[in-house]
Amino acid sequence: QVQLQESGPGLVKPSETLSLTCTVSGGSVSSGSYYWSWIRQPPGKGLEWIGYIYYSGSTNYNPSLKSRVTISVDTSKNQFSLKLSSVTAADTAVYYCARESGVTTVSMGYYYYMDVWGKGTTVTVSS
Amino acid sequence: SSELTQDPAVSVALGQTVRITCQGDSLRSYYASWYQQKPGQAPVLVIYGKNNRPSGIPDRFSGSSSGNTASLTITGAQAEDEADYYCNSRDSSGNLHVVFGGGTKLTVL
Repeated sequence: QVQLQESGPGLVKPSETLSLTCTVSGGSVSSGSYYWSWIRQPPGKGLEWIGYIYYSGSTNYNPSLKSRVTISVDTSKNQFSLKLSSVTAADTAVYYCARESGVTTVSMGYYYYMDVWGKGTTVTVSS
Repeated sequence: SSELTQDPAVSVALGQTVRITCQGDSLRSYYASWYQQKPGQAPVLVIYGKNNRPSGIPDRFSGSSSGNTASLTITGAQAEDEADYYCNSRDSSGNLHVVFGGGTKLTVL
């Protein structure tokens, strides 16, 4: 059974870069047609998609964060990572990593779903 | 702003049926997925595709879709179903961006 675990600093100073890693266990980050995603949730608010890296290495980012986000994968460590630059207090949130699958067939329809989530890690931006 | 719209809050009497809806143009092309989130916990997938439940999700949870609206129905709501529910799909731009609804807080009375 695939499990995900986020790790990284819980406190980041304003204007610095937030760096988080998601370690994949029970499966390979480079096998299967999966999208490896980052999602965040500010305190008391809803879920916000940050971006994903496809198993092939291609990436896709939330347009509102695109200029500050980089998602990469390290197949040797079976991990994928998030870097968010120039952070402000608005970036304070619980950050989740997740595995997403997609089905795109005429017979079954078109849909995507995140079936495996990490437990989340809280990141606070403060001096 | 989210491209998927959900009612902020819904309530249901214990044992009754409740429908939580999600509206958006992208739902004309994609089935929605639904997630349950309890306080302090990560979201959990409850419905995906036309009407699929992951292993371990009770069969009182079901999904449906019509036009630009997706629905999550809980038939015979239990106290443990009280949670936030989020819908999700790709956006309607064709760029394969992921979008989430704003979430619905379900209260079981």
